[in-house]
Amino acid sequence: GAVVSQHPSRVICKSGTSVKIECRSLDFQATTMFWYRQFPKQSLMLMATSNEGSKATYEQGVEKDKFLINHASLTLSTLTVTSAHPEDSSFYICSASPGQVQNSPLHFGNGTRLTVT
Amino acid sequence: DAKTTQPNSMESNEEEPVHLPCNHSTISGTDYIHWYRQLPSQGPEYVIHGLTSNVNNRMASLAIAEDRKSSTLILHRATLRDAAVYYCILRAPPADDMRFGAGTRLTVKP
Repeated sequence: GAVVSQHPSRVICKSGTSVKIECRSLDFQATTMFWYRQFPKQSLMLMATSNEGSKATYEQGVEKDKFLINHASLTLSTLTVTSAHPEDSSFYICSASPGQVQNSPLHFGNGTRLTVT
Repeated sequence: DAKTTQPNSMESNEEEPVHLPCNHSTISGTDYIHWYRQLPSQGPEYVIHGLTSNVNNRMASLAIAEDRKSSTLILHRATLRDAAVYYCILRAPPADDMRFGAGTRLTVKP
């Protein structure tokens, strides 16, 4: 089945530094990828939609200058958390679909747990 | 955006069937109903999806009401590994994104 790989699975960084998270579709091409954030005991919150070759679309309240998204190829999207602060500590999850229409399942990475100290 | 409503939690006994309900009274004609589940510290896992007709796969069955305002995910024989948070989601054009509600936390008792 379709596989989405996310790396790293865990990262600890100091406040003020930047962290890059990679999301790869291993056996399919993904024109669109989605980035989510999940705080403990809460549901996933959609942060942004990443479109290959164009600018990402951010959800209301998500700072685009803080959460930089790059989707340079059909199999790779990256999320960079810039100038991270402790409140950015969260579980970040990406997803992608082999198809562009709503009749395709989304496949999710296993998430990246970010801890900012 | 069309939204879904699910019970916060449900319990089941191992090896018994489980029926997880979902209400989506504002669903539009082109929305597909998707179900995903999430185990602790993992990304969500696709379970099943459908439009109007009931669907079966190796993991579960999806029963969709005739008016499409509700659906039920059926696990035919719950195992301990089925303990997870189950999310019922509508995949809506044109954005095709998927917004998660609170989901149902399923506990399976041995």
